[in-house]
Amino acid sequence: DSGVTQTPKHLITATGQRVTLRCSPRSGDLSVYWYQQSLDQGLQFLIQYYNGEERAKGNILERFSAQQFPDLHSELNLSSLELGDSALYFCASTPQGAGGANVLTFGAGSRLTVL
Amino acid sequence: AQSVTQLGSHVSVSEGALVLLRCNYSSSVPPYLFWYVQYPNQGLQLLLKYTTGATLVKGINGFEAEFKKSETSFHLTKPSAHMSDAAEYFCAVSDQTGRRALTFGSGTRLQVQP
Repeated sequence: DSGVTQTPKHLITATGQRVTLRCSPRSGDLSVYWYQQSLDQGLQFLIQYYNGEERAKGNILERFSAQQFPDLHSELNLSSLELGDSALYFCASTPQGAGGANVLTFGAGSRLTVL
Repeated sequence: AQSVTQLGSHVSVSEGALVLLRCNYSSSVPPYLFWYVQYPNQGLQLLLKYTTGATLVKGINGFEAEFKKSETSFHLTKPSAHMSDAAEYFCAVSDQTGRRALTFGSGTRLQVQP
């Protein structure tokens, strides 16, 4: 158990729907990262939050949004879902915000299947 | 911009044989380099990292990697493969500015044959 908790573990939904993925970072970690892992795109960085504020943005679609709450948990919202959004979505956390040497602690992922 | 290229999406070795997984990086500033491992149905976990100092880095489970600036490489090795090493391995790069999130390579799936 890495200490990073992601729910749900598996989610099956239909095209056009909206889903919310939840992440609780490791105790004491202030920074949360979201990554998407798919067969064709590999591991893609989506977005990072630090202590409630957006810190960095990657290849996140406009249909996707995220936020980090005062208790430091984070939610990734995916809307108008398409077949191509089917992927593993990982959350990772670190103690600090910026700092290239930070080691990311990953959750087990949420597997999204869009039918 | 920063990126990593992992040569070989699949590598197969016999149990007891040398493991060599290749990673080349591109970075406009001095890089920090990482190897992560992903076991089936699990998240990624850190094997080892290079920041500064000694260029030969030792990690968990007998793995090590050597930072070679002249070759822009950070290959991962293990002298003797074990069945439990079968997994997917990711090389990743960040930099000292910390302004960019960790950038991962495409991954190498390691198979270990009995």
